[in-house]
Order: sequence, then structure tokens, then C-alpha cells
Amino acid sequence: DTGVSQDPRHKITKRGQNVTFRCDPISEHNRLYWYRQTLGQGPEFLTYFQNEAQLEKSRLLSDRFSAERPKGSFSTLEIQRTEQGDSAMYLCASSPGQSKNIQYFGAGTRLSVL
Amino acid sequence: QKEVEQDPGPLSVPEGAIVSLNCTYSNSAFQYFMWYRQYSRKGPELLMYTYSSGNKEDGRFTAQVDKSSKYISLFIRDSQPSDSATYLCAMSAQGAQKLVFGQGTRLTINP
Repeated sequence: DTGVSQDPRHKITKRGQNVTFRCDPISEHNRLYWYRQTLGQGPEFLTYFQNEAQLEKSRLLSDRFSAERPKGSFSTLEIQRTEQGDSAMYLCASSPGQSKNIQYFGAGTRLSVL
Repeated sequence: QKEVEQDPGPLSVPEGAIVSLNCTYSNSAFQYFMWYRQYSRKGPELLMYTYSSGNKEDGRFTAQVDKSSKYISLFIRDSQPSDSATYLCAMSAQGAQKLVFGQGTRLTINP
């Protein structure tokens, strides 16, 4: 059990560029979550996968955001045409899928849009 | 109004003090309650998990849930400088997947 892994840890991009983040969940965790955290705020839910199926999306996830989990293992989050308001920490979490809904977080990817 | 309210602090106490952190919430459907600790530029680390009302103790940490008042607390005894971090409360409803977080309380323990 190596924990939830996220890559890259920090991404700096120019406004209008596309960015993609990767999350590797804890092995055998079938549920995977993406959250966004801005400075001084708690994480906000973006989306959730059970295996490869994306089952819930927040209204925060605009059309410029897309998430995939093609084989039910790692997941990617892509932001197209980045805006300065997208600057935030993007956190991934995974859960073994039991009723308790205990989620384990990665270290996050910090996005800075210039 | 936010579903979960948490005083952002900052809160500064001397080493060895008892720390009390609190959250209130408005959604009576919340059944699962968690406290996470987050160090600067790191991801949240799960500290305590409680289902429904009651108390739970783990070492120096005690979590309390009062569903009738929609109020949860985290107590830290014999606080240490290494406890300095942001503490986030989080909760979810039965069958729901998303966690709803408070704003986080920034805590500093002074040696």
C-alpha cells in the first residue's frame, strides 16, 4: 500500500493552454474521487468513479473539464483552455468502496495559471 | 449559507494545551463525520472517523458528534508543535459519495 499518487505535483501553465493530471489510487480501491481546493478553503467535490464508470459530476466541473478512468485503475483530469480561475490544488482520493466512505487523499497537483 | 461551517482561525495555543476544534452543519442527512489534518502544501490526512452520534477516542485525539445540535468537535490533548496544521472537518450522507468539507481551521502550537 503505497498511498494515492498524483503527478505532477506542480504545474505552471499559460492561460488558454490545456493541462492533464494523473492519479494512481491505492491498489484495489475501486472508488476514485477528484476535488479542488483553493487557498484558505476546504476541498470541493468535482467527480467520482466507481471502477471505470463516472457516476457523479459536480456543477463545478464545467465543459472545459474532463475526467477519465479507462481501465478502472488510474485516472486523468484534463482542463482545456485554462483560465486564471482554475488555479488551485487538485486532489485525488480513493476508497475501498465499503459503506463507510472513508477516502484517502493524495498530495495533490498544484496548478498555477499565468 | 454553506452546508458546513468551520471557524478558519487562526488558532494559536501553547504546547501542552487542550485544543478544541468545531464544525456546525445544516444537512440533517449527514451520517458520516471525519476529521482530516492537512500540512502546508500536502494532501489531507485522515485523523478520525465517526458514524452518527457519539464519541471516539484515538490516542490524544477525541472526536464528538452531536447530531441533535448538528455540531461536531475534535479535541487534542497534550498538544505538540507537530500538531500545527490545518484541520478540516468533512461529512457525508448515507449512500452519498462526495465529502462536504468545512473551510479548515489553521492551528499553531507554540513551543
